[in-house]
Amino acid sequence: AQSVTQLDSHVSVSEGTPVLLRCNYSSSYSPSLFWYVQHPNKGLQLLLKYTSAATLVKGINGFEAEFKKSETSFHLTKPSAHMSDAAEYFCVVSPPFGNEKLTFGTGTRLTIIP
Amino acid sequence: DAGVIQSPRHEVTEMGQEVTLRCKPISGHDYLFWYRQTMMRGLELLIYFNNNVPIDDSGMPEDRFSAKMPNASFSTLKIQPSEPRDSAVYFCASSSTGDRQETQYFGPGTRLLVL
Repeated sequence: AQSVTQLDSHVSVSEGTPVLLRCNYSSSYSPSLFWYVQHPNKGLQLLLKYTSAATLVKGINGFEAEFKKSETSFHLTKPSAHMSDAAEYFCVVSPPFGNEKLTFGTGTRLTIIP
Repeated sequence: DAGVIQSPRHEVTEMGQEVTLRCKPISGHDYLFWYRQTMMRGLELLIYFNNNVPIDDSGMPEDRFSAKMPNASFSTLKIQPSEPRDSAVYFCASSSTGDRQETQYFGPGTRLLVL
């Protein structure tokens, strides 16, 4: 069985400061991992994904995430927050094979303070 | 491409009424997914199709829910009769393959309120 835990339901940062959204996963096998972003009243949009290639993954809008197998983590970071980053972020785990579906985290709401 | 298109964007109905949600996937995508998002349960996969055929409907909450995909460019999710606990945002997503590494592209969602 697989699971994903987003450690913070809400994160607030000031504009221009770094962003860290934490995600830990559990999977019997080496999974694929995704970060999706959902802006208010919008659908989910892919930020980045890890698929067993490079452990440091760069995504859109300056975001990146590092896959750390030893820590079973896939934290999302950005060096400098922008007001437009305010949204809900979902960490998602997918098994490399088998019948398990995508598992979504509960989401982290990111607030940017002007 | 216009992306995944869903209609209506908002729906308000009374308990007991039939509700039909519609989805047009991205052209050329063979997989279509229906999700439900609530505060209590987060995002849940309800059902998904491959080449218009339902593959896994184990997430459909009960017999009041049904989904169809009559052709590659159209799918419906129907609730009959609707209940207040069905109030949620329903998302449709599509992907070009069913590969676990494949990106799913989400529509803007239908916000359903059942009174």
